[in-house]
Amino acid sequence: AQTVTQSQPEMSVQEAETVTLSCTYDTSESNYYLFWYKQPPSRQMILVIRQEAYKQQNATENRFSVNFQKAAKSFSLKISDSQLGDTAMYFCAFRMDSSYKLIFGSGTRLLVRP
Amino acid sequence: DTAVSQTPKYLVTQMGNDKSIKCEQNLGHDTMYWYKQDSKKFLKIMFSYNNKELIINETVPNRFSPKSPDKAHLNLHINSLELGDSAVYFCASSQRENEQYFGPGTRLTVT
Repeated sequence: AQTVTQSQPEMSVQEAETVTLSCTYDTSESNYYLFWYKQPPSRQMILVIRQEAYKQQNATENRFSVNFQKAAKSFSLKISDSQLGDTAMYFCAFRMDSSYKLIFGSGTRLLVRP
Repeated sequence: DTAVSQTPKYLVTQMGNDKSIKCEQNLGHDTMYWYKQDSKKFLKIMFSYNNKELIINETVPNRFSPKSPDKAHLNLHINSLELGDSAVYFCASSQRENEQYFGPGTRLTVT
């Protein structure tokens, strides 16, 4: 069975600094998708970034980028120039190719300090 | 222009009652989901419907029954509510197995 592990329950970063959130996963599949979702205090789940396993190039979305290490089954999220609005829970998620099922990690609570 | 909406946003009820949560999406997606987020923020899928057909049914008590009257709606009915049902319930939708878009969540409190 696939599992997703986020080993950092909480992290904090100074505004304008860079922070990296860790995620590892376990699967025997070769084709799959990885996601980072953000859940601010408003509770809304927002898709931040996605990565297809067959793509070697790391995905980027403005200040958000990932470090995808397929052999190590690692998928970390880097947030550059942190902003107060980045304060949220961040969830890593995994989906097998052609599957509808998203499997989430336990989340990392990020606090951006002014 | 809400993409995925849920009603109500908050629901407080007593043990033993029956309640429903409604979900609607206006994205034209063919697949809808229900997730449960517990007090520790852990998020787990419960059900999924594709074109009104049940495609995912995780180990969920029979007291939970999803109903999809059409592709744009997926409702969740819960019978005989228990204290352990207290959680935030999220509806989501996607086009086939692509990116899932979530609703704002419904916080259910059972007293």
